[in-house]
Amino acid sequence: DGGITQSPKYLFRKEGQNVTLSCEQNLNHDAMYWYRQDPGQGLRLIYYSQIVNDFQKGDIAEGYSVSREKKESFPLTVTSAQKNPTAFYLCASSISRDLYGYTFGSGTRLTVV
Amino acid sequence: AQRVTQPEKLLSVFKGAPVELKCNYSYSGSPELFWYVQYSRQRLQLLLRHISRESIKGFTADLNKGETSFHLKKPFAQEEDSAMYYCALSGSNYQLIWGAGTKLIIKP
Repeated sequence: DGGITQSPKYLFRKEGQNVTLSCEQNLNHDAMYWYRQDPGQGLRLIYYSQIVNDFQKGDIAEGYSVSREKKESFPLTVTSAQKNPTAFYLCASSISRDLYGYTFGSGTRLTVV
Repeated sequence: AQRVTQPEKLLSVFKGAPVELKCNYSYSGSPELFWYVQYSRQRLQLLLRHISRESIKGFTADLNKGETSFHLKKPFAQEEDSAMYYCALSGSNYQLIWGAGTKLIIKP
């Protein structure tokens, strides 16, 4: 059963800590994306990767980092430099030349305590 | 500039009434447009795309290049249509550009 899996579903972080959110897909999609979803603001792109070992900053990359060492995996690290990290994070993947839309994960809710 | 505008943050209609969720876009090329839906406690999923000219769950959307719009319509709303709806545009570098979303509430 193909799909995209995000873990964990809920994550709590103390001030000053880095945390890593996992995103894995078995759809053989070339492109992967990280979004942040806040109420009333829609989806904002953090980082994206169209090929292994390559990624680009999105609109709100500050305080975040990613890696793309494998086609299937695109982990997101929320660093202590991110001023307002409490949010819902969505991972997505797509065929590189996207005419078919994105497939989304179920999301991770990060809360800073 | 490439932009997607959904002017309504919230739309509330009665069951059985027609629904129209507005989406306007700004794009200089030939746009690829999508509607995504997020039901409560479910993941965001593709509802329909304009290139398919399909009807999904009774919803249709027509691309109007003259008005730069891609409004989502359904003639008779059902309670299970209550959800968050996002309009998106595939931009020049194949990234999706998102509207802010419209929360649709269907009242019984």
